[in-house]
Amino acid sequence: QSVLTQPPSVSAAPGQKVTISCSGSSSNIGENYVSWYQQLPGTAPKLLIYGNYKRPSGIPDRFSGSKSGTSATLGITGLQTGDEADYYCGTWDVSLSADVFGTGTKVTVL
Amino acid sequence: QITLQESGPPLVKPTQTLTLTCTFSGFSLSSPEVGVGWIRQPPGKAPEWLALIYWNDAKHYSPSLKPRLTITKDASKNQVVLTMTNMDPLDTATYYCAHRGLWEYQLLFDFWGQGTLVTVSS
Repeated sequence: QSVLTQPPSVSAAPGQKVTISCSGSSSNIGENYVSWYQQLPGTAPKLLIYGNYKRPSGIPDRFSGSKSGTSATLGITGLQTGDEADYYCGTWDVSLSADVFGTGTKVTVL
Repeated sequence: QITLQESGPPLVKPTQTLTLTCTFSGFSLSSPEVGVGWIRQPPGKAPEWLALIYWNDAKHYSPSLKPRLTITKDASKNQVVLTMTNMDPLDTATYYCAHRGLWEYQLLFDFWGQGTLVTVSS
């Protein structure tokens, strides 16, 4: 099971903002960089954020990331219907010597 | 352009061994810092990392599944193979292979294949 905990779902109206939390521990988030992935229905996860807050080329600045202690947060502003997807955080756990992913959060645009 | 494609049987019986092949292009598994990993995702659940192999043949496995997994590479064929023994219905999932790249100071799965659904049933 996932060692990184996320809220199961968040929702907001178009144009609004949502934030997704990712809670871990000193052996994973507290020790390593965090990445975030977007998984649209029926597709593979896509890298959205790396290095806690950096965006790969092509990812709009509506998406932002941050980290504090053993938690990380993904923010999406100017919410669009195309943002409806599952979002996962990920990092390396030094105690497990394993890549770990969050439990996932479904974003719904009302 | 990095692409990866998984291939393998869509259906396996309990206790059988699953063999999956990842065929990739756009990078070389002989280049430093490069790796390929396998991740699975049961229907409606979060991804679960399984195994990882690097350009220098270093291998890493999920601790909980390590006894059942073997990952190998053939850099000349641009392929990585994952075998999982003693399959169980709980292993039913979409299996992804992904490129492991170094993004500044972070190693992560940056490019993923489309995934292949494996169902375990008698």
